[in-house]
Amino acid sequence: DGGITQSPKYLFRKEGQNVTLSCEQNLNHDAMYWYRQDPGQGLRLIYYSQIVNDFQKGDIAEGYSVSREKKESFPLTVTSAQKNPTAFYLCASSTLGHATYEQYFGPGTRLTVT
Amino acid sequence: QKEVEQDPGPLSVPEGAIVSLNCTYSNSAFQYFMWYRQYSRKGPELLMYTYSSGNKEDGRFTAQVDKSSKYISLFIRDSQPSDSATYLCAMRMEGGGNKLTFGTGTQLKVEL
Repeated sequence: DGGITQSPKYLFRKEGQNVTLSCEQNLNHDAMYWYRQDPGQGLRLIYYSQIVNDFQKGDIAEGYSVSREKKESFPLTVTSAQKNPTAFYLCASSTLGHATYEQYFGPGTRLTVT
Repeated sequence: QKEVEQDPGPLSVPEGAIVSLNCTYSNSAFQYFMWYRQYSRKGPELLMYTYSSGNKEDGRFTAQVDKSSKYISLFIRDSQPSDSATYLCAMRMEGGGNKLTFGTGTQLKVEL
């Protein structure tokens, strides 16, 4: 089965702790993305990567970090510097190309920080 | 002002109704226009895609793009309870590094 997996589905953390969200894809896609979704805000891009060992900040990168050591994996760390980390986090992947328009999304991780 | 504006709803319609969902945008460089459907607590999935202006039909769904007005629409005919979801418009520029700009999403409920 080809697709994107995110784990865990629900995650609870205490304020001040770093937490890492997992994202794995077996679609052989070059590009991977992390979004945050809040009610009334739509999807906002946190980080994206087009190639292994390289990634770029999106619109709301502050308080987050990523790595891309393998093509199929793009973990996101929510650091204690993120002021409002409670949200629904979505990972996506796509092929690369000037006409690429489809991104494939994982099922998401709902993070609650108290 | 956001680059893409979308009425968040919620929109509630009876089964069988025609639904119209809309987005406006400000960036004239957008060339690719997509509609994603997102069921509750799931990731979005691509529903429709249109390049530049024009109409595209797929079963009960029709996507329209009017670049002169910077306005896109998704029409759902004979709506079903299974269409109840959040519908997100998304756009990208030619090139643009594959980055998509999303609307806030419209929550639709189709009632029996």
